[in-house]
Amino acid sequence: GAVVSQHPSRVICKSGTSVKIECRSLDFQATTMFWYRQFPKQSLMLMATSNEGSKATYEQGVEKDKFLINHASLTLSTLTVTSAHPEDSSFYICSARRQDGSYEQYFGPGTRLTVT
Amino acid sequence: LAKTTQPISMDSYEGQEVNITCSHNNIATNDYITWYQQFPSQGPRFIIQGYKTKVTNEVASLFIPADRKSSTLSLPRVSLSDTAVYYCLVGDQGGSYIPTFGRGTSLIVHP
Repeated sequence: GAVVSQHPSRVICKSGTSVKIECRSLDFQATTMFWYRQFPKQSLMLMATSNEGSKATYEQGVEKDKFLINHASLTLSTLTVTSAHPEDSSFYICSARRQDGSYEQYFGPGTRLTVT
Repeated sequence: LAKTTQPISMDSYEGQEVNITCSHNNIATNDYITWYQQFPSQGPRFIIQGYKTKVTNEVASLFIPADRKSSTLSLPRVSLSDTAVYYCLVGDQGGSYIPTFGRGTSLIVHP
């Protein structure tokens, strides 16, 4: 089946630094990828929709200047958490939608971000 | 976007059949119903998808009544490894569909 990977799987960074998370579709092309954030014991919260070659669409309340999204190719989207703070510590999950007409959706394994 | 409602939690025992119901009263004509399973610190995993009546695969069955305002995920003979959160999503699965998660159902399977 189709696979979506995320890198890194977990990262610890110091407050004030920036962290980049990669989301790759390994065996299919994805014009659209989604980024979610999940806090402990809570559901996935959609942060933004990432479209290849265009600006991401952010959900209400998500700061676009803090969570930079770049979808530079049909297999890669990146989420950069800029000037991270402890409250940004969370589980970040991406998903990718096939562009071949099936519109099937696949989720990545997630990235655990801890900001100290 | 069709809103979904599920029980927050359920408990079961190994070997039992578990049925998790999801309400989606304002489901649209073109919407499909998709269920995902999520283990702690992992991404959601697709379980099953259906449009109407009954769908069965190797891990679950999905029952959808004629009015499609609800659906039931059936897990036969659960084991401890089925302890997870189960999410019901509703959407047209087309190019503009944005998967939106509700609160999900936390299933705990006891020995």
